[in-house]
Amino acid sequence: QQKVQQSPESLSVPEGGMASLNCTSSDRNFQYFWWYRQHSGEGPKALMSIFSDGDKKEGRFTAHLNKASLHVSLHIRDSQPSDSALYFCAASEPGANTGKLTFGHGTILRVHP
Amino acid sequence: DMKVTQMPRYLIKRMGENVLLECGQDMSHETMYWYRQDPGLGLQLIYISYDVDSNSEGDIPKGYRVSRKKREHFSLILDSAKTNQTSVYFCASRQANTEVFFGKGTRLTVV
Repeated sequence: QQKVQQSPESLSVPEGGMASLNCTSSDRNFQYFWWYRQHSGEGPKALMSIFSDGDKKEGRFTAHLNKASLHVSLHIRDSQPSDSALYFCAASEPGANTGKLTFGHGTILRVHP
Repeated sequence: DMKVTQMPRYLIKRMGENVLLECGQDMSHETMYWYRQDPGLGLQLIYISYDVDSNSEGDIPKGYRVSRKKREHFSLILDSAKTNQTSVYFCASRQANTEVFFGKGTRLTVV
């Protein structure tokens, strides 16, 4: 069973619109969550992390974590064509020595003019 | 400049040949990873290394082995490559629970 599940598989939003991506974990050991973004031909790059319940805002990006339901979301306001990419949710167990990061299958975001 | 460097970027090998993918990082990170990425499957962990000669299997280690003799270098070896190992391979590194830094990937085609 996929331990980190993302939805939707793909998403198309107009330029200037709001994009909302979702992620759910089935493993209660996962306490730390990350959002990564991958542009075509590049490696994934970390967008932001969230470890505590509630919202975390960084510029146009807001992540929300609900630990009780193990649900994480990413909201991108004022979406730009440059935001078009593959977005991954990733999760890990707390503790510096585990190191293992488990990724979802990704959401393809397309921002159209 | 924090960087993970992968060589080569593109590689074509025949079935049964040995393959060596190399990775270097300049951040003195203890932990390094090898992932493979296939369409619709996301990133799958092949091996994780916690430091020199301290390697552990990830989720899909079969058909692969790794070598880490220096903290800054981590190699992925495919002995007798198979066509189902055609994929994009990513090396990554990390310190503690900070972000994972990825290289640009190696696109391997086994024919």
